[in-house]
Amino acid sequence: DIQMTQSPSSLPASLGDRVTITCRASQDIGNYLRWFQQKPGKSPRLMIYGATNLAAGVPSRFSGSRSGSDYSLTINSLESEDMAIYYCLQHNEYPLTFGSGTKLEIK
Amino acid sequence: VQLVESGGGLVQPGKSLKLSCSASGFTFSSYGMHWIRQAPGKGLDWVAYISSSSGTVYADAVKGRFTISRDNAKNTLYLQLNSLKSEDTAIYYCARAGSYVLWFAYWGQGTLVTVSS
Repeated sequence: DIQMTQSPSSLPASLGDRVTITCRASQDIGNYLRWFQQKPGKSPRLMIYGATNLAAGVPSRFSGSRSGSDYSLTINSLESEDMAIYYCLQHNEYPLTFGSGTKLEIK
Repeated sequence: VQLVESGGGLVQPGKSLKLSCSASGFTFSSYGMHWIRQAPGKGLDWVAYISSSSGTVYADAVKGRFTISRDNAKNTLYLQLNSLKSEDTAIYYCARAGSYVLWFAYWGQGTLVTVSS
C-alpha cells in the first residue's frame, strides 16, 4: 500500500501568515493527489485536485504544488476561516490512502 | 448533488449493520461511489468503492466483513457491515466519484456507527 506521510501534525499560525503543509508519497502517484479541509462536525471539503488545481469555489489564497514525491498545500495570508484540519489523499491506486492530517490553529 | 447517509447506531461486537446513502441531484447509475470512515477524533480512512458497473474494491481492514452494493433504481448506495469490531466505530461517509475533476467533490454528512457491548 502507498503510505502518505503528512507533516506537520499541528501547525500554530497567525492570521495573515503563509503556511505550508506537506505530504510525501512512498511510491510514485503522479499527480493523483487531492487536498481536503475538514472543520469540526463537518464533512471534508475538496480543496485541490490533480496536485495543483484549485477546486471550484476555493479561494485563490490556496495553492498546491509538487516536487518529486513531495506534495504541498500552501495558504497565503491566513484567514480565521482557514482554521481546520487538512488531509491529503492519493488516488493513484487502491487502496486509497489519506495522510494523517494537519491541524491548523491560531497561535 | 445531495448525499444522505443513514442506518448508523449502537451495535454489539460481532453483530451486523447496514448503512444507506441516498443520492439525488445527479444520475446515480452513472457514477462510482466510495465509503470513507473516521474514527472519533482520528483521521480519514477509505473503506470501499463501487463502480458504476458494480465492480468493487475494499480496504484490507474490512475485506471479507463489509460489502458495498448499490440499487440504481432506488438511487441508493449501501454498506453491509458484518462481524463488527470495536475498531469499526466511526462516522461513515459516502462520497461520489465520477469525473476526474469532481472525484470526492461531494460528500454526505456521515452516519455514526458505535460498536460496543
